[in-house]
Amino acid sequence: EVQLVQSGAEVKKPGESLKISCKGSGYSFTSYWIGWVRQMPGKGLEWMGIIYPGDSDTRYSPSFQGQVTISADKSISTAYLQWSSLKASDTAMYYCARRDLGWNRFYVWGQGTTVTVSS
Amino acid sequence: DIQMTQSPSSLSASVGDRVTITCQASQDISNYLNWYQQKPGKAPKLLIYDASNLETGVPSRFSGSGSGTDFTFTISSLQPEDIATYYCQQYDNLPSYTFGQGTKLEIK
Repeated sequence: EVQLVQSGAEVKKPGESLKISCKGSGYSFTSYWIGWVRQMPGKGLEWMGIIYPGDSDTRYSPSFQGQVTISADKSISTAYLQWSSLKASDTAMYYCARRDLGWNRFYVWGQGTTVTVSS
Repeated sequence: DIQMTQSPSSLSASVGDRVTITCQASQDISNYLNWYQQKPGKAPKLLIYDASNLETGVPSRFSGSGSGTDFTFTISSLQPEDIATYYCQQYDNLPSYTFGQGTKLEIK
């Protein structure tokens, strides 16, 4: 079964760093782009960026460039989203999603990781 | 950046009603549009890709149409399980896969 499994909920303080993960299984992890999507509480979906684990080619939405870092470790089939200094406004649900091979659509999604940043 | 404007932002309809949601792009995106359904507490689910193609396993009461800047998503006969928020997503301006702001659908 193809699936993306994300790491668990996080509660952090402003200024702290954080790295959340998205582990792929049931398919060739290095062959599919993985995207990240933010959903702030009660709000809509926002596209953050995308990575190709095969060569770590990474593209960011202009809104998130410099705010987060997307990376991947193909040896353990895992993509990451990280912050060096969290802000309260980073409080949100974060989803990873796999781009279908040869298509610009996202059929397989992770279950989401809740990040809460509060002093 | 391409902006995607969905309307309405919320909608109340009765079971059996025909429901229509529109999505307008700020520039021509050909047919490079997906539609997703998101239920509370769940990840989005792909329903329609390339503006009008139904994803495998998705009920035929869902459909999409349009090209260029104007797109429509339709539920031909609303069912109770269709209560969700629906999003359009463009992929003409890669690597940004911009979403519309969403349409929350409720039962009247």
